[in-house]
Amino acid sequence: EAGVTQFPSHSVIEKGQTVTLRCDPISGHDNLYWYRRVMGKEIKFLLHFVKESKQDESGMPNNRFLAERTGGTYSTLKVQPAELEDSGVYFCASSPRLAGAPEQYFGPGTRLTVT
Amino acid sequence: GQQLNQSPQSMFIQEGEDVSMNCTSSSIFNTWLWYKQDPGEGPVLLIALYKAGELTSNGRLTAQFGITRKDSFLNISASIPSDVGIYFCAGLYTGTASKLTFGTGTRLQVML
Repeated sequence: EAGVTQFPSHSVIEKGQTVTLRCDPISGHDNLYWYRRVMGKEIKFLLHFVKESKQDESGMPNNRFLAERTGGTYSTLKVQPAELEDSGVYFCASSPRLAGAPEQYFGPGTRLTVT
Repeated sequence: GQQLNQSPQSMFIQEGEDVSMNCTSSSIFNTWLWYKQDPGEGPVLLIALYKAGELTSNGRLTAQFGITRKDSFLNISASIPSDVGIYFCAGLYTGTASKLTFGTGTRLQVML
């Protein structure tokens, strides 16, 4: 079974540019999460999809971040316009929609560098 | 918001030694998860704990869910070089719509 995949693995952009990150969850997993780790800090929650619906977006930093999951399969996270403080590693995770199965499985992450 | 204090921040140990790390929280969790992250990879789930007092093992790893539900411990016995990496605890409270709260991580380095 394929794990969570993310694209690209690295992205270097200039301040003010736009970047779109993609996540493909484990097949059949209804729950999809985005997290971010800024250098030296803990991994922080950004948002949670259940299928195509946003269940919780309380961790989104501001309105420069837009996440979508059209069709309930893969998800994209767009940052527009990017700022220096957006640099970090963006992780996607997924979990099945089963009661009592809270484990989340993470992708390898996208390392974003804004210069 | 909820915060997890993870300690130690880093450890430099001899191969064959046992390792202990822990996480404490200012609030309770229903589930504790322990992850390991290798360089360039995402966190990989090691152990999941579902109720207070639970003690669970996965090979050389043993983790416990604290009785107060505000802490958890991870022990690694007889460490080997491939144990090198960053270990994260994560707490989940079902009232927060399944979002994980992570600790700051423990960086483990093993000397041969």
